[in-house]
Amino acid sequence: QKEVEQNSGPLSVPEGAIASLNCTYSDRVSQSFFWYRQYSGKSPELIMSIYSNGDKEDGRFTAQLNKASQYVSLLIRDSQPSDSATYLCAVQGAGGTSYGKLTFGQGTILTVHP
Amino acid sequence: DAGVIQSPRHEVTEMGQEVTLRCKPISGHNSLFWYRQTMMRGLELLIYFNNNVPIDDSGMPEDRFSAKMPNASFSTLKIQPSEPRDSAVYFCASRVDISGANVLTFGAGSRLTVL
Repeated sequence: QKEVEQNSGPLSVPEGAIASLNCTYSDRVSQSFFWYRQYSGKSPELIMSIYSNGDKEDGRFTAQLNKASQYVSLLIRDSQPSDSATYLCAVQGAGGTSYGKLTFGQGTILTVHP
Repeated sequence: DAGVIQSPRHEVTEMGQEVTLRCKPISGHNSLFWYRQTMMRGLELLIYFNNNVPIDDSGMPEDRFSAKMPNASFSTLKIQPSEPRDSAVYFCASRVDISGANVLTFGAGSRLTVL
């Protein structure tokens, strides 16, 4: 089992729709979770972090965390063509040799078409 | 702040040659990470340092890869000898480890092509 798994995609949504990106992780003691966005040919940039169960909203983005199910998701409301990118889920280790280690999922390619 | 600075941005070399990638983290950041990204394997953690000390190098593919951080403002990733399968984009990233503020900032990456 991979440490961090994302829905494989690619995901295509029409402009104005809600895009839903999902991620599961294997390390039960993980406490910190992140979503990064990466445009083609660029480096990853942080868009959301979440540490507690529940929802966290920032503008059009909502991150959801369920530690019991070891599941993290990202919702993008009112999707825009400029949201077209690869979205990377990242999980930070919390125990033993994994402490501080940030592991990324494979990424989901999102395309928002006009 | 200039951000994380990586050099070279692009490197084309022949199989068997030595490659050295360089990274200058953001001033004040105490953790530094080296990642490799390919289409097939995604973003893989190679090694990370905390306060200049290597903490986890389990992602380093083999003995041909080595990384050093001689001081808080400089790190190198060396591949010797290089092979075509090492072709990838290598990212350096840094962060400051303070509770609630452990955001990782990436450099622009070094694109390596080994012929």
